[in-house]
Amino acid sequence: AQKITQTQPGMFVQEKEAVTLDCTYDTSDQSYGLFWYKQPSSGEMIFLIYQGSYDEQNATEGRYSLNFQKARKSANLVISASQLGDSAMYFCAMRETKGTYKYIFGTGTRLKVLA
Amino acid sequence: DSGVTQTPKHLITATGQRVTLRCSPRSGDLSVYWYQQSLDQGLQFLIQYYNGEERAKGNILERFSAQQFPDLHSELNLSSLELGDSALYFCASNSGGTGFTDTQYFGPGTRLTVL
Repeated sequence: AQKITQTQPGMFVQEKEAVTLDCTYDTSDQSYGLFWYKQPSSGEMIFLIYQGSYDEQNATEGRYSLNFQKARKSANLVISASQLGDSAMYFCAMRETKGTYKYIFGTGTRLKVLA
Repeated sequence: DSGVTQTPKHLITATGQRVTLRCSPRSGDLSVYWYQQSLDQGLQFLIQYYNGEERAKGNILERFSAQQFPDLHSELNLSSLELGDSALYFCASNSGGTGFTDTQYFGPGTRLTVL
């Protein structure tokens, strides 16, 4: 069965610094997609970035990028130049590619940006 | 704005009562997912519908039920409410395709408080 692991329950980063949030996954499939979502204290779930298993380059979206290491089965989210508004919960997710095609979520990492 | 709408935004009710949460997916999306997020917890998948048909079931209690209507909006019915049902309930949608690239977009959530 597919699984997502986020081992950092909480992280601190200084404003304007870069931070890496870890995500490892387990799948026997060759084709898969990985997603990152942000959940600020207001509660909504915001889609940030997507990485496909066949993508040759790491995904980037503004200050967000993915450090995708397929052999290690990791898809770490890198936030550059952290801002106070980046303080939130971050979830890594993968979509099942067989059966029900539902999404598997990690337990999340709570990031606090310090002024 | 993800394009997924949920009503109501907040709901306060008493134990033993029944409530209905409503969701409209993004324009063009055929699939709707329901999730429950209790305080400081991860996302718990409840149920998925695709074009009016149930596609996948997660850890949904028997007291809970859902359906997707011909216009593709969905409703989640929660009955015989207990204190432990207090949570943030999310609806999410995607195209419903089986590709691993299909991104899921979330609504703003309904915060249910059971007193």
